Amino acid sequence: RKEVEQDPGPFNVPEGATVAFNCTYSNSASQSFFWYRQDCRKEPKLLMSVYSSGNEDGRFTAQLNRASQYISLLIRDSKLSDSATYLCVVLMNTGFQKLVFGTGTRLLVSP
Amino acid sequence: DTAVSQTPKYLVTQMGNDKSIKCEQNLGHDTMYWYKQDSKKFLKIMFSYNNKELIINETVPNRFSPKSPDKAHLNLHINSLELGDSAVYFCASSQRSWDGYGYTFGSGTRLTVV
Repeated sequence: RKEVEQDPGPFNVPEGATVAFNCTYSNSASQSFFWYRQDCRKEPKLLMSVYSSGNEDGRFTAQLNRASQYISLLIRDSKLSDSATYLCVVLMNTGFQKLVFGTGTRLLVSP
Repeated sequence: DTAVSQTPKYLVTQMGNDKSIKCEQNLGHDTMYWYKQDSKKFLKIMFSYNNKELIINETVPNRFSPKSPDKAHLNLHINSLELGDSAVYFCASSQRSWDGYGYTFGSGTRLTVV
């Protein structure tokens, strides 16, 4: 089983749509959770951290369910510029702390 | 001013060659990393250095040898390159290694082994 699993997509949505991505992680002792965004042929960049109480940043809402080891990202009112790959990232302690990346979910927003 | 810079951006080389990738960060961070992103876009940590000391060494072949001359630099030398080494290699840095926050990635080095 992969340490962090995501649906690879692609998710094809029209502008203005709401889209949700999910992610599960294997290590119940994981402490920190993030969503990163990666544009084609670019480096990954932090989109937002994910907190247990859920958090929102503009059109983006992240949720964490520790009991189910499940993380989600909701994007409202999709823009063309949201087209990218969204990486679910978990900080795991396997003797040392390391960021473990999911394989990413590709989002394509069309006019 | 580029925060984490890697050179070269592209590298095409033949099997069996030895090559190096350099990374420098001007953020004053204590920890630096090498990640590999393969053709399936899976991004995986290879090495981590904290203040010039190796703290993470994932199951990477011995042909890969990182070197950190000071805490602002982390280079990656690869011996006897193989076709499977073709990937994008990302350098990253962070101020702290224990909470996952504040990572900055370089723009990547696209290595193609032919």
